[in-house]
Amino acid sequence: DAMVIQNPRYQVTQFGKPVTLSCSQTLNHNVMYWYQQKSSQAPKLLFHYYDKDFNNEADTPDNFQSRRPNTSFCFLDIRSPGLGDAAMYLCATSNGRGNQPQHFGDGTRLSIL
Amino acid sequence: KQEVTQIPAALSVPEGENLVLNCSFTDSAIYNLQWFRQDPGKGLTSLLLIQSSQREQTSGRLNASLDKSSGRSTLYIAASQPGDSATYLCAVQEAGTALIFGKGTTLSVSS
Repeated sequence: DAMVIQNPRYQVTQFGKPVTLSCSQTLNHNVMYWYQQKSSQAPKLLFHYYDKDFNNEADTPDNFQSRRPNTSFCFLDIRSPGLGDAAMYLCATSNGRGNQPQHFGDGTRLSIL
Repeated sequence: KQEVTQIPAALSVPEGENLVLNCSFTDSAIYNLQWFRQDPGKGLTSLLLIQSSQREQTSGRLNASLDKSSGRSTLYIAASQPGDSATYLCAVQEAGTALIFGKGTTLSVSS
């Protein structure tokens, strides 16, 4: 089945140690998104790629970066994770922007020691 | 700035009951509204998407309505089952790409 796959499902890192989360998709969608969801909170968009065009949300901390080497893969890099970055990170894709449904992966739960 | 509110935050019902989850949004200039299901520790599963020009969508035991002018949507679940236990999130999409989510309603259906 076509899908959005996130690896790993659970990630533990140390305070200040860089970490990378991975997302891949077999839907061949041209838009990929990263959302952050803290405990009992609503998911919040960090940034998205429209093809290779990177779009950062205004309030996304500089600590968060992203790479999209090809259509299928997108990475979320956290340069110096703080305790406040512990959250579920959700990757989504859509076939175009605007009025298109977004398809989500199972998420990566990030813990900071 | 768009805000999405879901009431109640939590709901417990016995198996077999029909129930309604509520979602409200502050700005009616939306492209669409989506309802998602989230199981504990998991990602989001899309349940229903209602375009701004539509009034409702149905899938199996689920029916979602949209009243854009009043900024409201409801998700109706018929004949609830224990397997329906999850958090239900609604999200609106405006002119842009971000989905703006509510915090969700956590549903528990007891057998």
